[in-house]
Amino acid sequence: AQSVTQPDARVTVSEGASLQLRCKYSYFGTPYLFWYVQYPRQGLQLLLKYYPGDPVVQGVNGFEAEFSKSNSSFHLRKASVHWSDWAVYFCAVSLGPVYAQGLTFGLGTRVSVFP
Amino acid sequence: NSKVIQTPRYLVKGQGQKAKMRCIPEKGHPVVFWYQQNKNNEFKFLINFQNQEVLQQIDMTEKRFSAECPSNSPCSLEIQSSEAGDSALYLCASSLGTGGRGTEVFFGKGTRLTVV
Repeated sequence: AQSVTQPDARVTVSEGASLQLRCKYSYFGTPYLFWYVQYPRQGLQLLLKYYPGDPVVQGVNGFEAEFSKSNSSFHLRKASVHWSDWAVYFCAVSLGPVYAQGLTFGLGTRVSVFP
Repeated sequence: NSKVIQTPRYLVKGQGQKAKMRCIPEKGHPVVFWYQQNKNNEFKFLINFQNQEVLQQIDMTEKRFSAECPSNSPCSLEIQSSEAGDSALYLCASSLGTGGRGTEVFFGKGTRLTVV
């Protein structure tokens, strides 16, 4: 079965610094990959998604992610973090048509931003 | 921004009580999902629908949980007899459900259930 691993449970970063959140997936094939953000007391908001094609995808609020089939990874990056990026970030994988399989999530990375 | 509406935002029930939560999917989205997110951020897929028909559901859903998505009414998820372990954030999501770029899934803000 597919799985998603986010190795870092917590990341602390200074405002204005760069951010990288790691995501590794396990699946024999090319998956559909997503990054979601969850702000305090909120649901999940989609940051960006990868479908087979360009390995670097751009998302909202200056986020981007890079897919690597050889490394089974889909890392999220942001060049300059803002205090409003304080949230939990989830990587998710779908095997294909979402209506059939739904999404498998990692356990999330909690990002804290300090001035 | 997602237009999936979930009510109520917070729900407190005693053990053994019924707990019911509702979801209005984004307009035009025929596919609806229910997920359970526990305090350890583990997501559990519960059930999904396409229009009014169940596509998949897990064993837990088949026993104490019931869900429906009637036409022209909100979808609902009900726990027949709440247990302490059911305390979690219940997330509803919707999707166009078609392949490729139509597979984006949009989530509501969730219903936080506390079973005391």
